Amino acid sequence: TQLLEQSPQFLSIQEGENLTVYCNSSSVFSSLQWYRQEPGEGPVLLVTVVTGGEVKKLKRLTFQFGDARKDSSLHITAAQPGDTGLYLCAGSRAGTALIFGKGTTLSVSS
Amino acid sequence: GAGVSQSPSNKVTEKGKDVELRCDPISGHTALYWYRQSLGQGLEFLIYFQGNSAPDKSGLPSDRFSAERTGGSVSTLTIQRTQQEDSAVYLCASSFLSWGRNTEAFFGQGTRLTVV
Repeated sequence: TQLLEQSPQFLSIQEGENLTVYCNSSSVFSSLQWYRQEPGEGPVLLVTVVTGGEVKKLKRLTFQFGDARKDSSLHITAAQPGDTGLYLCAGSRAGTALIFGKGTTLSVSS
Repeated sequence: GAGVSQSPSNKVTEKGKDVELRCDPISGHTALYWYRQSLGQGLEFLIYFQGNSAPDKSGLPSDRFSAERTGGSVSTLTIQRTQQEDSAVYLCASSFLSWGRNTEAFFGQGTRLTVV
């Protein structure tokens, strides 16, 4: 059973387009994190959201945590080729392992 | 070192052989995780060490997999009698305390294991 479902699995867009990636679960998490991974590297943390309804912005990236703390979204405005990579959401509950979704592979072409 | 270090970076082994993968976490980090990642896929949790507590081994796929963390620092993941389905990238991560509301996990670059 996959605790965290990410969609879409693959996304191929043109430079300048907007996109949204979703991370959904039937479980409540104390926090959700988004990581970005490039080929041959380990994931790198982008953001942590901890409060239901929280919205965080990181330049062209906007992250939202659902009111019930079961889901999250990542919105990228005016995507650039440098945004290409694997985006992973990860849920945390106190004292337990961080659980990752299967990821969204984003390809942005110029 | 400044980051999480994993060795070897690549390992090719024959089916049936045992392999050991090493992880040097960031100094002072009490939590250490092992994950497995197949090509283009998400991270599959394997095992979690937190301080002196008993490790969470709930993600280990079979009894051929085991891990140790000596002195609260370096960790070794051992796979016995390797099978072709064990081929994957094995990622290690460390963090302060346990996974919490604002705890960042720092990952190594992984060990790419190929079983032939």
